[in-house]
Amino acid sequence: DGGITQSPKYLFRKEGQNVTLSCEQNLNHDAMYWYRQDPGQGLRLIYYSQIVNDFQKGDIAEGYSVSREKKESFPLTVTSAQKNPTAFYLCASSVSGAQETQYFGPGTRLLVL
Amino acid sequence: DAKTTQPTSMDCAEGRAANLPCNHSTISGNEYVYWYRQIHSQGPQYIIHGLKNNETNEMASLIITEDRKSSTLILPHATLRDTAVYYCIVPGSSNTGKLIFGQGTTLQVKP
Repeated sequence: DGGITQSPKYLFRKEGQNVTLSCEQNLNHDAMYWYRQDPGQGLRLIYYSQIVNDFQKGDIAEGYSVSREKKESFPLTVTSAQKNPTAFYLCASSVSGAQETQYFGPGTRLLVL
Repeated sequence: DAKTTQPTSMDCAEGRAANLPCNHSTISGNEYVYWYRQIHSQGPQYIIHGLKNNETNEMASLIITEDRKSSTLILPHATLRDTAVYYCIVPGSSNTGKLIFGQGTTLQVKP
Protein backbone atom coordinates (compact mmCIF):
# COMPACT_ATOMS: atom_id res chain seq x y z
CA ASP A 1 0.00 0.00 0.00
CA GLY A 2 1.94 3.00 -1.27
CA GLY A 3 1.69 6.47 0.13
CA ILE A 4 2.89 9.05 2.60
CA THR A 5 2.58 8.65 6.32
CA GLN A 6 2.96 11.30 8.98
CA SER A 7 3.16 10.81 12.69
CA PRO A 8 1.94 11.63 15.18
CA LYS A 9 -1.50 12.89 14.21
CA TYR A 10 -1.48 15.28 17.18
CA LEU A 11 1.58 16.63 18.99
CA PHE A 12 1.85 18.82 22.03
CA ARG A 13 4.84 21.02 22.66
CA LYS A 14 5.87 22.68 25.87
CA GLU A 15 7.53 26.08 25.90
CA GLY A 16 11.20 25.87 24.97
CA GLN A 17 10.95 22.30 23.72
CA ASN A 18 12.05 20.95 20.35
CA VAL A 19 9.71 18.46 18.71
CA THR A 20 10.17 16.32 15.61
CA LEU A 21 7.47 15.45 13.10
CA SER A 22 7.89 12.30 11.06
CA CYS A 23 7.25 11.94 7.32
CA GLU A 24 7.81 8.69 5.43
CA GLN A 25 7.01 7.79 1.83
CA ASN A 26 7.25 4.49 -0.05
CA LEU A 27 6.53 5.96 -3.47
CA ASN A 28 10.22 6.09 -4.44
CA HIS A 29 9.89 9.85 -4.94
CA ASP A 30 13.00 12.01 -5.06
CA ALA A 31 11.41 15.26 -3.89
CA MET A 32 9.82 15.90 -0.51
CA TYR A 33 8.26 19.01 1.01
CA TRP A 34 7.05 20.42 4.30
CA TYR A 35 4.20 22.93 4.42
CA ARG A 36 2.54 24.76 7.26
CA GLN A 37 -1.16 25.63 7.30
CA ASP A 38 -2.74 28.09 9.71
CA PRO A 39 -6.52 28.12 10.29
CA GLY A 40 -8.43 29.38 7.26
CA GLN A 41 -5.23 29.92 5.30
CA GLY A 42 -3.43 28.29 2.39
CA LEU A 43 -0.25 26.25 2.69
CA ARG A 44 3.18 27.85 3.07
CA LEU A 45 6.41 26.08 2.19
CA ILE A 46 8.86 25.51 5.05
CA TYR A 47 11.58 23.33 3.52
CA TYR A 48 12.00 21.12 0.50
CA SER A 49 14.42 18.46 -0.66
CA GLN A 50 14.91 17.31 -4.22
CA ILE A 51 17.48 14.64 -3.49
CA VAL A 52 18.95 12.72 -0.57
CA ASN A 53 21.40 14.70 1.59
CA ASP A 54 20.27 18.00 0.13
CA PHE A 55 17.51 20.43 1.13
CA GLN A 56 16.63 24.09 0.74
CA LYS A 57 14.74 26.66 2.75
CA GLY A 58 11.25 27.58 1.69
CA ASP A 59 9.37 30.77 2.49
CA ILE A 60 9.10 30.34 6.27
CA ALA A 61 12.11 28.26 7.36
CA GLU A 62 13.02 30.25 10.48
CA GLY A 63 12.61 28.17 13.62
CA TYR A 64 12.56 24.87 11.73
CA SER A 65 15.16 22.31 10.70
CA VAL A 66 15.10 19.20 8.51
CA SER A 67 17.28 16.30 7.44
CA ARG A 68 17.21 14.01 4.42
CA GLU A 69 19.46 11.09 5.21
CA LYS A 70 17.25 8.54 3.46
CA LYS A 71 15.17 8.87 0.31
CA GLU A 72 12.00 7.76 2.05
CA SER A 73 12.25 9.97 5.13
CA PHE A 74 12.14 13.75 5.66
CA PRO A 75 11.67 14.61 9.35
CA LEU A 76 10.90 18.18 10.45
CA THR A 77 12.05 19.58 13.78
CA VAL A 78 10.19 22.52 15.24
CA THR A 79 12.72 24.25 17.45
CA SER A 80 12.21 26.51 20.44
CA ALA A 81 13.11 29.42 18.15
CA GLN A 82 9.74 29.02 16.42
CA LYS A 83 7.62 31.31 18.58
CA ASN A 84 4.26 30.51 17.03
CA PRO A 85 4.36 26.80 16.18
CA THR A 86 0.66 26.01 16.56
CA ALA A 87 -0.43 24.91 13.08
CA PHE A 88 -1.27 21.98 10.81
CA TYR A 89 1.89 20.55 9.23
CA LEU A 90 1.73 18.75 5.91
CA CYS A 91 4.36 16.67 4.20
CA ALA A 92 4.30 15.98 0.46
CA SER A 93 6.37 14.16 -2.12
CA SER A 94 6.72 14.13 -5.89
CA VAL A 95 8.67 12.20 -8.46
CA SER A 96 10.97 15.16 -8.95
CA GLY A 97 10.72 18.92 -8.54
CA ALA A 98 9.12 21.32 -10.95
CA GLN A 99 5.60 20.80 -12.24
CA GLU A 100 5.20 17.32 -10.83
CA THR A 101 2.13 16.15 -8.99
CA GLN A 102 2.61 16.34 -5.23
CA TYR A 103 1.02 13.75 -2.97
CA PHE A 104 0.27 14.75 0.59
CA GLY A 105 0.26 12.95 3.88
CA PRO A 106 -2.60 13.20 6.40
CA GLY A 107 -0.89 15.95 8.41
CA THR A 108 0.22 16.54 11.99
CA ARG A 109 -1.52 19.07 14.19
CA LEU A 110 0.91 20.74 16.60
CA LEU A 111 -0.39 22.44 19.69
CA VAL A 112 1.51 24.39 22.32
CA LEU A 113 0.77 23.71 25.98
CA ASP B 1 4.36 31.43 -10.68
CA ALA B 2 1.16 32.53 -12.36
CA LYS B 3 -1.46 33.94 -10.00
CA THR B 4 -4.87 32.27 -9.92
CA THR B 5 -8.24 33.73 -8.99
CA GLN B 6 -11.17 31.64 -7.77
CA PRO B 7 -14.56 32.45 -6.25
CA THR B 8 -14.53 32.23 -2.48
CA SER B 9 -17.47 29.85 -2.19
CA MET B 10 -20.03 27.90 -4.19
CA ASP B 11 -23.00 25.69 -3.47
CA CYS B 12 -24.10 22.65 -5.45
CA ALA B 13 -27.02 20.27 -5.10
CA GLU B 14 -26.17 16.64 -4.50
CA GLY B 15 -26.20 14.67 -7.76
CA ARG B 16 -25.73 17.75 -9.88
CA ALA B 17 -22.56 18.77 -11.71
CA ALA B 18 -20.29 21.18 -9.85
CA ASN B 19 -18.45 23.61 -12.10
CA LEU B 20 -15.58 25.41 -10.40
CA PRO B 21 -13.96 28.26 -12.36
CA CYS B 22 -10.41 29.55 -12.17
CA ASN B 23 -8.70 32.48 -13.85
CA HIS B 24 -4.97 32.32 -14.60
CA SER B 25 -4.49 35.09 -17.13
CA THR B 26 -0.70 35.34 -16.67
CA ILE B 27 -0.02 31.66 -17.35
CA SER B 28 2.86 30.96 -19.73
CA GLY B 29 2.91 28.44 -22.53
CA ASN B 30 4.61 25.57 -20.71
CA GLU B 31 2.88 25.89 -17.35
CA TYR B 32 0.38 23.29 -16.23
CA VAL B 33 -2.85 23.93 -14.34
CA TYR B 34 -3.33 21.70 -11.30
CA TRP B 35 -6.37 21.14 -9.12
CA TYR B 36 -6.26 19.87 -5.56
CA ARG B 37 -8.90 19.70 -2.88
CA GLN B 38 -8.73 19.66 0.89
CA ILE B 39 -11.41 18.13 3.03
CA HIS B 40 -11.49 19.59 6.53
CA SER B 41 -8.51 18.59 8.68
CA GLN B 42 -7.03 16.34 6.01
CA GLY B 43 -4.07 16.67 3.65
CA PRO B 44 -4.72 18.09 0.17
CA GLN B 45 -5.71 15.55 -2.45
CA TYR B 46 -4.60 15.73 -6.06
CA ILE B 47 -7.51 15.79 -8.50
CA ILE B 48 -6.33 16.49 -12.03
CA HIS B 49 -3.97 18.58 -14.13
CA GLY B 50 -3.66 19.73 -17.73
CA LEU B 51 -1.65 21.83 -20.14
CA LYS B 52 -3.75 22.64 -23.20
CA ASN B 53 -6.21 19.85 -23.89
CA ASN B 54 -9.22 18.98 -21.80
CA GLU B 55 -8.58 16.16 -19.38
CA THR B 56 -10.79 13.62 -17.64
CA ASN B 57 -10.12 11.04 -14.98
CA GLU B 58 -12.19 9.05 -12.53
CA MET B 59 -12.62 12.04 -10.25
CA ALA B 60 -13.27 15.01 -12.52
CA SER B 61 -12.92 16.75 -15.85
CA LEU B 62 -10.77 19.78 -16.56
CA ILE B 63 -11.73 22.21 -19.30
CA ILE B 64 -9.04 24.71 -20.32
CA THR B 65 -9.94 27.61 -22.60
CA GLU B 66 -8.14 27.91 -25.91
CA ASP B 67 -6.19 30.98 -24.76
CA ARG B 68 -5.38 29.08 -21.51
CA LYS B 69 -6.29 32.07 -19.38
CA SER B 70 -8.98 30.23 -17.49
CA SER B 71 -10.14 26.73 -16.67
CA THR B 72 -13.10 24.93 -15.12
CA LEU B 73 -13.06 21.87 -12.92
CA ILE B 74 -16.16 19.75 -13.33
CA LEU B 75 -17.36 17.21 -10.78
CA PRO B 76 -20.02 15.46 -12.85
CA HIS B 77 -22.23 14.13 -10.04
CA ALA B 78 -21.38 15.86 -6.80
CA THR B 79 -21.87 13.98 -3.54
CA LEU B 80 -21.83 15.19 0.05
CA ARG B 81 -18.28 13.82 0.32
CA ASP B 82 -17.15 16.32 -2.32
CA THR B 83 -17.66 19.17 0.15
CA ALA B 84 -14.16 20.64 0.44
CA VAL B 85 -11.91 23.57 -0.44
CA TYR B 86 -10.78 23.33 -4.06
CA TYR B 87 -7.49 24.87 -5.12
CA CYS B 88 -6.50 25.82 -8.64
CA ILE B 89 -2.70 26.08 -8.86
CA VAL B 90 -0.21 26.95 -11.56
CA PRO B 91 3.11 25.69 -10.14
CA GLY B 92 5.23 27.43 -12.73
CA SER B 93 8.51 26.39 -14.21
CA SER B 94 10.70 27.14 -11.20
CA ASN B 95 12.66 24.13 -10.04
CA THR B 96 11.53 24.34 -6.42
CA GLY B 97 8.27 22.56 -7.11
CA LYS B 98 6.61 24.88 -4.60
CA LEU B 99 2.83 24.91 -4.73
CA ILE B 100 1.14 28.20 -3.86
CA PHE B 101 -2.18 27.51 -2.24
CA GLY B 102 -4.39 30.60 -2.17
CA GLN B 103 -7.78 30.75 -0.52
CA GLY B 104 -9.40 28.35 -2.95
CA THR B 105 -13.13 27.81 -3.46
CA THR B 106 -15.15 26.31 -0.65
CA LEU B 107 -17.65 23.98 -2.31
CA GLN B 108 -20.66 23.07 -0.21
CA VAL B 109 -22.66 20.16 -1.61
CA LYS B 110 -26.18 20.21 -0.23
CA PRO B 111 -28.73 17.39 -0.01
